Amino acid sequence: QQPVQSPQAVILREGEDAVINCSSSKALYSVHWYRQKHGEAPVFLMILLKGGEQKGHDKISASFNEKKQQSSLYLTASQLSYSGTYFCGTQPHGSGNTGKLIFGQGTTLQVKP
Amino acid sequence: DSGVTQTPKHLITATGQRVTLRCSPRSGDLSVYWYQQSLDQGLQFLIQYYNGEERAKGNILERFSAQQFPDLHSELNLSSLELGDSALYFCASTAGGNQETQYFGPGTRLLVL
Repeated sequence: QQPVQSPQAVILREGEDAVINCSSSKALYSVHWYRQKHGEAPVFLMILLKGGEQKGHDKISASFNEKKQQSSLYLTASQLSYSGTYFCGTQPHGSGNTGKLIFGQGTTLQVKP
Repeated sequence: DSGVTQTPKHLITATGQRVTLRCSPRSGDLSVYWYQQSLDQGLQFLIQYYNGEERAKGNILERFSAQQFPDLHSELNLSSLELGDSALYFCASTAGGNQETQYFGPGTRLLVL
């Protein structure tokens, strides 16, 4: 039931782009993306509520393909501050009125100068 | 700062002991979620409370219990602690509905020796 994230790790130079994928075996209500720095709390990036929805925040955007039960996070022109571990959290259909999130295993992103 | 507070920040204890972790949600939020993050695992959902009532349960051990009080703060009780319980414990809060952004507290780092 845990979504699968790929890649597990990626190293970039400043200014390069990256894509992080999140795939679920279950139909999803929503996908939530977080970034976590080592030892700190996960920080909310964006939430995708509808199939096909794309959202953007500065140079970070995401899409949600409901049919494929997949979401992708796009980081463009990466900055040093983008370094951290990215998690997708999913709410599968059948969650009822709970808001519990099932998180992927994380993708570690390192941006080098 | 997410507005969610957790105490204590760090906790060191011995196997077999019992500890209590505390979480205060953001002002106005009725729902509290508890997550466990150990070194080799991602974020694992433990339990959710909404306005004092348990709403959803994840893979929470029988040695663990939680409650939410009338002032909406929540406590997670961990008893008969084992080495494997060492982890970061986060709480998150939302206004109450599902498909809402979960804002995470700074976490409590528990070390069981």
